[in-house]
Amino acid sequence: QLTQSPSSLSASVGDRVTITCRASQGISSFLSWYQQKPGKAPKLLIYAASTLQSGVPSRFTGSGFGTDFTLTISSLQPEDFATYFCQQSHSTPHSFGQGTKLE
Amino acid sequence: QVQLQESGPGLVKPSETLSLTCSVSGGSIEFYYWSWIRQSPGKGLEWIGYIQDTGRTSYNPSLKGRVSISVDMSKNQISLKLAPVTAADTAVYFCARHLIAARHQDGLGVWGQGTTVAVS
Repeated sequence: QLTQSPSSLSASVGDRVTITCRASQGISSFLSWYQQKPGKAPKLLIYAASTLQSGVPSRFTGSGFGTDFTLTISSLQPEDFATYFCQQSHSTPHSFGQGTKLE
Repeated sequence: QVQLQESGPGLVKPSETLSLTCSVSGGSIEFYYWSWIRQSPGKGLEWIGYIQDTGRTSYNPSLKGRVSISVDMSKNQISLKLAPVTAADTAVYFCARHLIAARHQDGLGVWGQGTTVAVS
């Protein structure tokens, strides 16, 4: 089970924001982060906890191991306002966090 | 590059079978894992299950044995069946390809656009 916090977050362009994902048991580094915009499929940002997916801007960084993980956006851009999900792939079911809506 | 397209009925009656197909273009099903994920209106994402190109599957226990995923290599398609359905199965259904060949541990790198299914 994954618990994301906060569930919603208000921020401004240029802000640095951090989203947290906590696993109920250790999942090594098998944690991914996705961005989803309304009416669209999720987009993979980070996998293996800290590896940036090809084409994703470097302002997105992931960190963590075991049970505690973070996604940080260093300087928010207008296109970053979306909902973010974490997902663990250590064991099935490959569960998702409940999401963080960034407004 | 590889593209995924989900298709199937947009409306299914309660107690009947939901059948969806994910058509893969620009690449082969071979060597990869493929997942189905759904998202209920205004809700989060729920992982339904995955299938390997060999046909090996893993399903979410929350679906209580109602789900089946299969692959048709000749048609380059992955299929999802869910039965019997209830109103709680109303959702947008996505298919996705796992990021790295022969591994299911590294996230979902390619997604279809999703297809909306209402149970009513």
